[in-house]
Amino acid sequence: EVQLVQSGAEVKKPGATVKISCKVSGYTFSDYYMHWVQQAPGKGFDWMGYVDPEDGETIYAEKFQGRVTITADTSTGTAYMELSSLRSDDTAVYFCAGRSMSSTSLDYWGQGTMVTVSS
Amino acid sequence: NFILTQPHSLSASPGETVTISCTRSSGSIASNYVQWYQQRPGSSPTPVIYEDHRRPSGVPDRFSGSIDTSSNSASLTISGLKPEDEADYYCQSYLATVHVVFGGGTKLTVL
Repeated sequence: EVQLVQSGAEVKKPGATVKISCKVSGYTFSDYYMHWVQQAPGKGFDWMGYVDPEDGETIYAEKFQGRVTITADTSTGTAYMELSSLRSDDTAVYFCAGRSMSSTSLDYWGQGTMVTVSS
Repeated sequence: NFILTQPHSLSASPGETVTISCTRSSGSIASNYVQWYQQRPGSSPTPVIYEDHRRPSGVPDRFSGSIDTSSNSASLTISGLKPEDEADYYCQSYLATVHVVFGGGTKLTVL
């Protein structure tokens, strides 16, 4: 059974940095790109970017460029998303999602991590 | 860049057929595959259609997808609606095969 298990909810102050983890089991970690998606309360999805765990190459959405860093640790099968300079509109649920290198869809999703940014 | 526009909400009764549209603002809808995701309240999304019309294993054949180049749109059709189909549905495609673009989502209510 494939599982993507994310770290727990976070509360951060404006200007701080948050780092969320996503541990994979049930598939070969390096065979799937790992994407990160933001969902603000009651809103749709904003794609943030992805990492190729095989070589660490990253692609980021223009909206988050400069504030987001996505990494992958193949030794533990864990991906990370770090978002800096947090502001109130970063309050959202963040999902990791694995996409097979031979697929077009985001096949497997984590359970989501709620990040609240509040002073 | 382009945006994918979906109706904000739709409603239908059990047993009926509903179609959710996803219109691409610029560039051809056929230039990049379209995927559809279902997100039930409080849950993570799951794919229900990939590569315009293919169903992942385990997705019932009541779900079907298509694209229409004349209207530059993709559609998700759900037939024989069931109460458990009540969810938010999102279309998704790619910009330059790399950047992921999501539609704004459609809230489907099964009355």
